[in-house]
Amino acid sequence: ETGVTQSPTHLIKTRGQQVTLRCSSQSGHNTVSWYQQALGQGPQFIFQYYREEENGRGNFPPRFSGLQFPNYSSELNVNALELDDSALYLCASSLDRGASGYTFGSGTRLTVV
Amino acid sequence: GEDVEQSLFLSVREGDSSVINCTYTDSSSTYLYWYKQEPGAGLQLLTYIFSNMDMKQDQRLTVLLNKKDKHLSLRIADTQTGDSAIYFCAESAISSGSARQLTFGSGTQLTVLP
Repeated sequence: ETGVTQSPTHLIKTRGQQVTLRCSSQSGHNTVSWYQQALGQGPQFIFQYYREEENGRGNFPPRFSGLQFPNYSSELNVNALELDDSALYLCASSLDRGASGYTFGSGTRLTVV
Repeated sequence: GEDVEQSLFLSVREGDSSVINCTYTDSSSTYLYWYKQEPGAGLQLLTYIFSNMDMKQDQRLTVLLNKKDKHLSLRIADTQTGDSAIYFCAESAISSGSARQLTFGSGTQLTVLP
């Protein structure tokens, strides 16, 4: 059974650019959630995808968007990057919208300069 | 809205017990979790407790839940240097749509001294 894998592990982007982060969910999981963890803080919920549709969203602007594919892998896209978008982005997979717990990936460290 | 609070730092001697405390506000939470994060790594699930339980024990870990006071604690027995990490308390509740999201505290940095 494979865990949650995220790519890339590190990324540096310039303010105003766009970025795509990728996540492969744990085998058998149909739900993917994305979290943003700023330095020194706890993770903040961005949104969740269940069976290829957005299923819930936290307090993040529309320039944060995502996709889930038929194999349940997912992408997080951020447009018009701002300096404050610098953070660790964590993907968590689960079964049935999180009813049975979450498995987290190791994250993508995004630095916006 | 939901809010989860934790003390920021805790130092203990190797071999002693560590107790990390957390308070939460959402009474509709069904599960409460403890995660561990080591430097540069993602989150590792340590244990969780269902909201209708008072206590759960899992090897060196003991979770106590006081639902009336919305207080959760994690006790680590015989703390080792490998336990040094940041520990996050999280509550699970239904958010917008039907997503069950986690709301995390800011984390407690546990330092184990030799």
